[in-house]
Amino acid sequence: GQQVMQIPQYQHVQEGEDFTTYCNSSTTLSNIQWYKQRPGGHPVFLIQLVKSGEVKKQKRLTFQFGEAKKNSSLHITATQTTDVGTYFCAVGGSYIPTFGRGTSLIVHP
Amino acid sequence: ETGVTQTPRHLVMGMTNKKSLKCEQHLGHNAMYWYKQSAKKPLELMFVYSLEERVENNSVPSRFSPECPNSSHLFLHLHTLQPEDSALYLCASSQTPGQGNSPLHFGNGTRLTVT
Repeated sequence: GQQVMQIPQYQHVQEGEDFTTYCNSSTTLSNIQWYKQRPGGHPVFLIQLVKSGEVKKQKRLTFQFGEAKKNSSLHITATQTTDVGTYFCAVGGSYIPTFGRGTSLIVHP
Repeated sequence: ETGVTQTPRHLVMGMTNKKSLKCEQHLGHNAMYWYKQSAKKPLELMFVYSLEERVENNSVPSRFSPECPNSSHLFLHLHTLQPEDSALYLCASSQTPGQGNSPLHFGNGTRLTVT
């Protein structure tokens, strides 16, 4: 199956600072999904990107799919304590996604 | 509120015990999954069922045995587990192929501790 590298593994920020996590693949992706898992919770689907260069926004979250469809990013503007959790990207050519290792976001008030 | 329900939420079992994890989805999906999530490791796919047929078995030890009696229910039967099997076991469901990469809907998971 397809593999994806996600960086960084951890990110500490002060509340109000921005945050970005990246997913990179050596192969062209058909699409990419993003999930969030709160501490003690389960992964929750956030969004799916399909088109080259696609940009989608959800309030303070901005998701981008690279022009070559080999990388993607999730950017959070002005983090809040409610943003704490682990953000996963998931890729796959079929309906069986492979998850990245995730980026754990820690927000200090 | 999740459309995927897992029971029990927590389970402690000895290495000689036999137990089962249960998952039920109320979303009308046709595919169901078992994932294992250990500390400091990525989500590991264990089994996938599509229309009640197993379509993926990711080299999982035989001490884990899945069962999918219908498209709404999924079980994971456990026997003679090892302490390293302690983890969060997540069930998920999605639509079947033909609709692109359908998002997964996860249950709350079962936190398993093997003593």
